[in-house]
Amino acid sequence: GQQVMQIPQYQHVQEGEDFTTYCNSSTTLSNIQWYKQRPGGHPVFLIQLVKSGEVKKQKRLTFQFGEAKKNSSLHITATQTTDVGTYFCAGPDRGSTLGRLYFGRGTQLTVWP
Amino acid sequence: GAGVSQSPRYKVAKRGQDVALRCDPISGHVSLFWYQQALGQGPEFLTYFQNEAQLDKSGLPSDRFFAERPEGSVSTLKIQRTQQEDSAVYLCASSLDMAGGAYNEQFFGPGTRLTVL
Repeated sequence: GQQVMQIPQYQHVQEGEDFTTYCNSSTTLSNIQWYKQRPGGHPVFLIQLVKSGEVKKQKRLTFQFGEAKKNSSLHITATQTTDVGTYFCAGPDRGSTLGRLYFGRGTQLTVWP
Repeated sequence: GAGVSQSPRYKVAKRGQDVALRCDPISGHVSLFWYQQALGQGPEFLTYFQNEAQLDKSGLPSDRFFAERPEGSVSTLKIQRTQQEDSAVYLCASSLDMAGGAYNEQFFGPGTRLTVL
């Protein structure tokens, strides 16, 4: 089945440093979604990328979708303690528009004040 | 407005007991999903409903797992004869569009943490 690989698994940064997490799929994705899960919380949708090479920004967060639509990245500039949490990418079933999403294992971000 | 709610938030079961987990999706949301999340892992898909129709149950790990959404709103995930490996957080999510969650934001509930002793 579909697999979405995410690296790194853990990232520890000092407040003010940048952070990047990478997501790779074995197959071409129709779209990719990113979610954030705070410690003890539930996943919260951040963004969806659909187009090849798409770049979207949300304040300090920059999301990219690769030209081949097989990889994606999330970059946070100048991290803050509020950025702490696990960031997941998720992609749909190959060739399907139904609901099933395959989540990566996530990157757990810790920010030291 | 109200988000997705789940009950109970925590459930402790003895091995072999049956459990029922409830999900109240956002009103009007057509699609409903169940996921299982083990510690340190991403959510793993279990099953998907579009209104009352269960369109995909390929993620259910065994025939001990059963889900229903009889009136197209509230959903129940039932686990029969629970085993220790069933211990996890069970997340419910809903999305608005009939086209399916693959192109739509999924709104997650707080989850039910199931511990099987």
